[in-house]
Amino acid sequence: DVKVTQSSRYLVKRTGEKVFLECVQDMDHENMFWYRQDPGLGLRLIYFSYDVKMKEKGDIPEGYSVSREKKERFSLILESASTNQTSMYLCASKPDRAEQYFGPGTRLTVT
Amino acid sequence: GENVEQHPSTLSVQEGDSAVIKCTYSDSASNYFPWYKQELGKRPQLIIDIRSNVGEKKDQRIAVTLNKTAKHFSLHITETQPEDSAVYFCAASMTAGGGNKLTFGTGTQLKVEL
Repeated sequence: DVKVTQSSRYLVKRTGEKVFLECVQDMDHENMFWYRQDPGLGLRLIYFSYDVKMKEKGDIPEGYSVSREKKERFSLILESASTNQTSMYLCASKPDRAEQYFGPGTRLTVT
Repeated sequence: GENVEQHPSTLSVQEGDSAVIKCTYSDSASNYFPWYKQELGKRPQLIIDIRSNVGEKKDQRIAVTLNKTAKHFSLHITETQPEDSAVYFCAASMTAGGGNKLTFGTGTQLKVEL
């Protein structure tokens, strides 16, 4: 069974804190993605990675960075959290030329 | 880059009626078009997809049509049921290239009323 997991379902952080969101997949997928989901705006791509140590900016990378040291793990980093980064964060993974699977999401609140 | 527009943003139908959600895309190189369903509090899940070498695909009560010339594709749900109530997202991508990243539409909230 396909499995994409995220480290937290809910997270509350203060403005200025450094925040780490972790995503792990057990399917040996080459490609991994981070999205944020906001009402009325759909799923917007923050960063993606198509190989270990490779990363590409998505549509809204400002204020975020990522790390992919191992194939199964893709981390999203908020260097200095701000209130406008309060959102639902979804990780996803996919092999080449096949279906994309999402994680359960992390609802982050920055106060 | 690719831009996907989705309409309507909300759709309310009576149980048993049909529902249609429409999407347009901008990049003529896109050749893969999946549809995801997201129930309340859950992750998006793929329900159907279509590749550019076919014009229509069906799976029980759901179907997707693709018009490459006009660059639009649609999701059709027949005989709607309350469990069809969810947010639906269309997406587009090229299957070649690193990442094969999907560009999503903004979503349609479908409500099936009894």
